[in-house]
Amino acid sequence: AQKVTQAQTEISVVEKEDVTLDCVYETRDTTYYLFWYKQPPSGELVFLIRRNSFDEQNEISGRYSWNFQKSTSSFNFTITASQVVDSAVYFCALSSISNFGNEKLTFGTGTRLTIIP
Amino acid sequence: DTEVTQTPKHLVMGMTNKKSLKCEQHMGHRAMYWYKQKAKKPPELMFVYSYEKLSINESVPSRFSPECPNSSLLNLHLHALQPEDSALYLCASSQGDRGFNEQYFGPGTRLTVT
Repeated sequence: AQKVTQAQTEISVVEKEDVTLDCVYETRDTTYYLFWYKQPPSGELVFLIRRNSFDEQNEISGRYSWNFQKSTSSFNFTITASQVVDSAVYFCALSSISNFGNEKLTFGTGTRLTIIP
Repeated sequence: DTEVTQTPKHLVMGMTNKKSLKCEQHMGHRAMYWYKQKAKKPPELMFVYSYEKLSINESVPSRFSPECPNSSLLNLHLHALQPEDSALYLCASSQGDRGFNEQYFGPGTRLTVT
């Protein structure tokens, strides 16, 4: 069985502060993919990043960076110099790859991030 | 263009009504999804269509009936819903239905059942 844990239910930081959102996952599969999605108040989930289980390189995209550590089964997301527009619910998700199909996304419970102006 | 559109944005219906939610994508994606999301919860998968055929039905009650008329369109027909079915209904699409494909979501339809 797969599981994604986002222990931080809500986080508030003052604008321009850095913030890290934690994601811990469980899977027995050796091939899997991890994702981060952002859900602003408008409701639409926005795809941010995909990482496969064989690629432990960290990634940076502008103010966003991701730290994937297989040894601790974590895929954490850091926003540098946060802005009010970063306020949203952020979901971490996991998908294992099987020979049988039916590969579904397992979402974490989400972290609500509020950036205070 | 990574856009998935959904109509209507909001829908209020009585328990005896019949209504439909619509979803459209023009990215050439061959997999489409319906999710249900209750407040402060993650999305829950309802149905997956792959190449216009239903590939996953997550034991959803028959009062929800999906339809995929073609590769760009996905409908969700609603009939005799219950108040607990009130939620945000999200449509998504991806290149294929394998787990490594990122999904692109629409803005959702906020459904209220009275």
